[in-house]
Amino acid sequence: AQTVTQSQPEMSVQEAETVTLSCTYDTSESDYYLFWYKQPPSRQMILVIRQEAYKQQNATENRFSVNFQKAAKSFSLKISDSQLGDAAMYFCAHMNYGGSQGNLIFGKGTKLSVKP
Amino acid sequence: NAGVMQNPRHLVRRRGQEARLRCSPMKGHSHVYWYRQLPEEGLKFMVYLQKENIIDESGMPKERFSAEFPKEGPSILRIQQVVRGDSAAYFCASSNAGGTEAFFGQGTRLTVV
Repeated sequence: AQTVTQSQPEMSVQEAETVTLSCTYDTSESDYYLFWYKQPPSRQMILVIRQEAYKQQNATENRFSVNFQKAAKSFSLKISDSQLGDAAMYFCAHMNYGGSQGNLIFGKGTKLSVKP
Repeated sequence: NAGVMQNPRHLVRRRGQEARLRCSPMKGHSHVYWYRQLPEEGLKFMVYLQKENIIDESGMPKERFSAEFPKEGPSILRIQQVVRGDSAAYFCASSNAGGTEAFFGQGTRLTVV
């Protein structure tokens, strides 16, 4: 069974600094997708970034980038130039390729605080 | 283009009552997914539906929980005879047939008293 592990329950970063959130996963599949979602206090789940496992190049979305290490089954999220609005819960998620698109396996989340 | 709409946002039920949670997918989306989020936990998959069909209900509790997505109208997650342990946030997501991204609603927070 697929599992997703986020080993950092809480993280803190100074405004304008860089922070990295860790995620490891376990799967027997070779093709899959990985995601990072942000959940602010409003509870809305917001997709931050997505990575296809067959792509070697790490995904980037503005200040957000990932370090995808397929062999190590690691998928960390780097947030550069942190802003107060980045404070939220961050969830790493996995989805099998070809499976139902919404059948995501989530980690338990990392609570990110941003200090002014 | 409205996103995924869930209502109500908050629902309070007494033990033994029924809870009905509604989800209207994004326009053009025919796939709906329900998730449950317990306090301090990530979201857990419950069920995947297409119009008038349950595709995958592997995450649904065997008793008291049911879901439907009729030809017309929203998807409904129904919890009968609620217990305190059902207290959680319930999220709905939708996608189109060929997409690789599911869009989430804001969730319904169910409190059982």
